[in-house]
Amino acid sequence: AQSVTQLDSQVPVFEEAPVELRCNYSSSVSVYLFWYVQYPNQGLQLLLKYLSGSTLVKGINGFEAEFNKSQTSFHLRKPSVHISDTAEYFCAVSSSRDDKIIFGKGTRLHILP
Amino acid sequence: EAQVTQNPRYLITVTGKKLTVTCSQNMNHEYMSWYRQDPGLGLRQIYYSMNVEVTDKGDVPEGYKVSRKEKRNFPLILESPSPNQTSLYFCASRPGQGYGYTFGSGTRLTVV
Repeated sequence: AQSVTQLDSQVPVFEEAPVELRCNYSSSVSVYLFWYVQYPNQGLQLLLKYLSGSTLVKGINGFEAEFNKSQTSFHLRKPSVHISDTAEYFCAVSSSRDDKIIFGKGTRLHILP
Repeated sequence: EAQVTQNPRYLITVTGKKLTVTCSQNMNHEYMSWYRQDPGLGLRQIYYSMNVEVTDKGDVPEGYKVSRKEKRNFPLILESPSPNQTSLYFCASRPGQGYGYTFGSGTRLTVV
């Protein structure tokens, strides 16, 4: 069975400051990892994904994430946030065998002026 | 435009009255899935389908039915809705393993 833990339910950060949103997972099989963003009153959009290979993956809107197998983490980072990054961010894990995808409970990113 | 279309966007119904939420994708994706989103609980998978005529339970299937008679459509059926099924529902599709989902815009269901 797989599980995902997003360690912070809310993260406040000043505009133009860096941010890290934390995600830890557990699984007994090899997994694929994803980050999604949900803007207010919208569906979810894929930010980036990790399948294999380089542990640093780059996504849209200047976000990147690093896969760390030993720490079972997949933290999301951005070097400088903008007010438009205000949204809820979801980490997700799927196995390589079926379409069961488990989402974390989400982290709300609040950008302070 | 490549998209997942859900209907209706908003629905208020009464306990016990059968309803169907439709979902259609125009991207020829193999995999389709239904999720519900509740405050503090994130997204929970209801059912998924990896092929036509093949469906499997997710984490919270009780009280729901699905069918996948053709590739593009994956309706969600609530035979006898109850207030605890009040939620925001998302349909999603993806080409296969290793791909991210494309999500629909959501259906906000209220059962009174």
